[in-house]
Amino acid sequence: KAGVTQTPRYLIKTRGQQVTLSCSPISGHRSVSWYQQTPGQGLQFLFEYFSETQRNKGNFPGRFSGRQFSNSRSEMNVSTLELGDSALYLCASSAERSSYNEQFFGPGTRLTVL
Amino acid sequence: GQQVMQIPQYQHVQEGEDFTTYCNSSTTLSNIQWYKQRPGGHPVFLIQLVKSGEVKKQKRLTFQFGEAKKNSSLHITATQTTDVGTYFCAGPYAGNNRKLIWGLGTSLAVNP
Repeated sequence: KAGVTQTPRYLIKTRGQQVTLSCSPISGHRSVSWYQQTPGQGLQFLFEYFSETQRNKGNFPGRFSGRQFSNSRSEMNVSTLELGDSALYLCASSAERSSYNEQFFGPGTRLTVL
Repeated sequence: GQQVMQIPQYQHVQEGEDFTTYCNSSTTLSNIQWYKQRPGGHPVFLIQLVKSGEVKKQKRLTFQFGEAKKNSSLHITATQTTDVGTYFCAGPYAGNNRKLIWGLGTSLAVNP
């Protein structure tokens, strides 16, 4: 099976711009989670989508949004970028099993905000 | 709020020495997962522990889940240079298995 893919791998934006990141999960996985990783804060949960619905949400401002399509592919959008949004954005997919939530991560998108 | 803490933050060992990282949660966890992230890479799932007092081994790696299900440890015997990376523990937010809270990780460096 192909792994989780994320595009683009690298992005450079300026403050105030917006950005859209894309994630394709492992075939058959319907759950997609997004994380922000920074050296100081570690991995922070952004949100999880399942069957095109946002099922869980972390503590991020409304500038961070996402969606999921019928083929389980997911996009994440950040509007009005701030310097502090510079981070590695990781997408993870998982199979829907009752108590087991192994996350399969993509390579990430490295976002730099200037 | 709910927190997961890991110690130490960094560990530098000589190849062949043992290594242990500890994970402590402010709340009881239904399960705990461990991941490894190589430098420049992404987290890769290692294992999930579910039962109180559970111990699991993967070759030189030994994982433990505490009796109270609030702490866990990862022990590596006789480290190798391939063990270099950051080790994360993660547990579900209170009752929500689909939403994980992560420790900040322990970065392991191994001198050959």
